Amino acid sequence: TQLLEQSPQFLSIQEGENLTVYCNSSSVFSSLQWYRQEPGEGPVLLVTVVTGGEVKKLKRLTFQFGDARKDSSLHITAAQPGDTGLYLCAGATGNEFYFGTGTSLTVIP
Amino acid sequence: SQTIHQWPATLVQPVGSPLSLECTVEGTSNPNLYWYRQAAGRGLQLLFYSVGIGQISSEVPQNLSASRPQDRQFILSSKKLLLSDSGFYLCAWTPRQTEAFFGQGTRLTVV
Repeated sequence: TQLLEQSPQFLSIQEGENLTVYCNSSSVFSSLQWYRQEPGEGPVLLVTVVTGGEVKKLKRLTFQFGDARKDSSLHITAAQPGDTGLYLCAGATGNEFYFGTGTSLTVIP
Repeated sequence: SQTIHQWPATLVQPVGSPLSLECTVEGTSNPNLYWYRQAAGRGLQLLFYSVGIGQISSEVPQNLSASRPQDRQFILSSKKLLLSDSGFYLCAWTPRQTEAFFGQGTRLTVV
């Protein structure tokens, strides 16, 4: 079992603030994804990064894959209440997908 | 387009009863299929995955089993449920190893 640790586990911020979520592992992954999940639903893919050092931007979200392909970060600029949800990283190796421990984000209007 | 169906959405079962959760994928062939379990507000624990009919890989020894009787059908089962089997169960499929698509999940409560 591959372990991906996310930090922080919980985050509550005011609308307009910036935040960063981290995903760390001792394992190397062929790709790493970030998902967002609403209560009672399945996770939905936000982005996939495959190259060490890769940076992808999706509107106010910036994703980075570590040079060694073991870790990743998600940065949100000017958070909005609609960003509230559970953020999950996932690493792919072989045929397996392993998910992180999750970060629950609440953005207060 | 591809879709994934998972049912039932909610289930309340007594301790010691059997379990069968079903997941089917439409619009693709030979997908990789996965079963995950999730505790409230936490990450997903990989339970089983399958790369083809009759091929099941188990990640965590437990009270559950999985089967893939058809190419696009994945079933999660238990002969006797335990209280600790309660949770949110998610089925997923991947067209390639860069993204996973999930069903709507099954909320299982063992009482």
